[in-house]
Amino acid sequence: SAVISQKPSRDICQRGTSLTIQCQVDSQVTMMFWYRQQPGQSLTLIATANQGSEATYESGFVIDKFPISRPNLTFSTLTVSNMSPEDSSIYLCSGKETDYNEQFFGPGTRLTVL
Amino acid sequence: ELKVEQNPLFLSMQEGKNYTIYCNYSTTSDRLYWYRQDPGKSLESLFVLLSNGAVKQEGRLMASLDTKARLSTLHITAAVHDLSATYFCAVAFPPLYGGSQGNLIFGKGTKLSVKP
Repeated sequence: SAVISQKPSRDICQRGTSLTIQCQVDSQVTMMFWYRQQPGQSLTLIATANQGSEATYESGFVIDKFPISRPNLTFSTLTVSNMSPEDSSIYLCSGKETDYNEQFFGPGTRLTVL
Repeated sequence: ELKVEQNPLFLSMQEGKNYTIYCNYSTTSDRLYWYRQDPGKSLESLFVLLSNGAVKQEGRLMASLDTKARLSTLHITAAVHDLSATYFCAVAFPPLYGGSQGNLIFGKGTKLSVKP
């Protein structure tokens, strides 16, 4: 099974600033995703990170707010831009090899915006 | 609308007892996942169910899938305290039915507490 690491594990940020979260997978995965989990809630997909092309965003999420990069098959970044307290959440990176494989999750980045 | 509903959302059990968590989903799917999440931790993959009638077991947990009823169950046998966690089911819906590739729709989770 793939092991996914994220940096930072947590951060406290000021309103209006931006934070970039890094996701590293220990093996090549075809698919990488970014999810958000608000406190006490379930997970919601933000976007699919596509290698070498623009990410595919789900309804309610836009590139200007959540720019994503994926330069290769093992690494991706998510930036939370112009943050507000409503962005306080856990952001999780996820990956899998094919549609029918297990989907693994990173440990998450706990973001608090003041 | 693509929906995944779990029940119960909260479950307090005594050690040694059996119980079942239910996961219903709204339309055709060919993949269903069960995850465990401990407080402050990420999700641990428990089971991937790919076909009608699939049954998988690991220790005291057994998951099954009935695609015709659009229902999966996670059965807990002789619960122990270590099983206390939040359990999520997640469903992948094919694009033909409104899903998008790779998008797992998660249930709200079942918070399980096993008491001695």
